[in-house]
Amino acid sequence: SYELTQPPSVSVSPGQTASITCSGDKLGDKYTCWYQQKAGQSPVLVIYQDRKRPSGIPERFSGSNSGNTATLTISGTQAMDEADYYCQAWDSSYVVFGGGTKLTVL
Amino acid sequence: QVQLLQSGPEVKKPGASVKVSCKASGYTFTGNYIHWVRQAPGQGLEWMGRINPNSGGTHYAQNFQGRVTMTRDTSISTAYMELSRLRSDDTAVYYCARDNELDSWGQGTLVTVSS
Repeated sequence: SYELTQPPSVSVSPGQTASITCSGDKLGDKYTCWYQQKAGQSPVLVIYQDRKRPSGIPERFSGSNSGNTATLTISGTQAMDEADYYCQAWDSSYVVFGGGTKLTVL
Repeated sequence: QVQLLQSGPEVKKPGASVKVSCKASGYTFTGNYIHWVRQAPGQGLEWMGRINPNSGGTHYAQNFQGRVTMTRDTSISTAYMELSRLRSDDTAVYYCARDNELDSWGQGTLVTVSS
């Protein structure tokens, strides 16, 4: 079965750029989505089709996908961005999630 | 606006079944897939499967084949997920989500399996 691998944790200082990676075999050939989940809340879509932002998502969130790695980048990270982030892709007819990355803003 | 409203928390004994509902509003129910995703305490997201509300066609994750059934009632814009032969490790928050990009999520339903 297809697997997506994320680092368990990433730390960033306020105002700096955070990068969260997601690795999978030939992931660049698939569309990737990213979800933000704050403590006690439902996930929220922040990036779809590799790099598109849903309405209401701040411009500081961006995405890229090439080769075997997709990356979520948060520019000018704010304290409110502290959350768990999950990547997601489709493998044939199945949805696959990465294991999640805890972003700490300190 | 798009809204997915799920049913309330459930407590079940091992071996029982649970049925969670997801009522959609703010869009055409038959126009987008509904997915079911669960999250065990302190763990990540796990996809369970999806249903096409228009045709009723389903696609289940291999981990849940034979135990999960997804249905829908288009007259009330509601999707259902039933999980049978519950075990303690099925204790989780169960979410419904809309469309291929899972662009809107329900509030989650806590299912606790305990003897």
